[in-house]
Amino acid sequence: DQQVKQNSPSLSVQEGRISILNCDYTNSMFDYFLWYKKYPAEGPTFLISISSIKDKNEDGRFTVFLNKSAKHLSLHIVPSQPGDSAVYFCAASDLMRRGANSKLTFGKGITLSVRP
Amino acid sequence: EPEVTQTPSHQVTQMGQEVILRCVPISNHLYFYWYRQILGQKVEFLVSFYNNEISEKSEIFDDQFSVERPDGSNFTLKIRSTKLEDSAMYFCASSPDRSYEQYFGPGTRLTVT
Repeated sequence: DQQVKQNSPSLSVQEGRISILNCDYTNSMFDYFLWYKKYPAEGPTFLISISSIKDKNEDGRFTVFLNKSAKHLSLHIVPSQPGDSAVYFCAASDLMRRGANSKLTFGKGITLSVRP
Repeated sequence: EPEVTQTPSHQVTQMGQEVILRCVPISNHLYFYWYRQILGQKVEFLVSFYNNEISEKSEIFDDQFSVERPDGSNFTLKIRSTKLEDSAMYFCASSPDRSYEQYFGPGTRLTVT
């Protein structure tokens, strides 16, 4: 079951440059997308989200872009900092599904390393 | 800042034993979830809970699993007879509303020997 795919297992960028993390999904019922960051031995920490009615959401250094026709979203981190080094998970939900909570379907994650 | 807490951080148990994993969700949240992550694999949804009952459960959440909110603060996951393949990191999450982001606890690492 690969409804949410993060095809690149890792990404390495130089401090100060842009990090672009990609995510694809196959379920057209997904209408809410989230990015979580995870450090070792900790739980996933919510970073940013986007509803399917938007194509961009920005919060400080983090911007998420959604291309519904391509079923693709990306997380941009500008400028990247060494403290951003972590595993980043893309997750999706179907909020319009009646009678159910908004369970999250996760991708496998991308390990981001930001080099000083 | 309020956070989800989980105890214990690491639980080692023998196959066939019962385990109870405990979570304290954020106090004003109404929706509660359990997820698990087997080493090297995705975070997987197990169960969601609202208004003192299960809202949805995955295929993983079979008769060996149960959840309970015994009081106003705790949310527990019980595995009645653990199997080797239950070894995983178990995450509790909560949200104030079904359309909001979910906040995760630090996880309990369950090791079944």
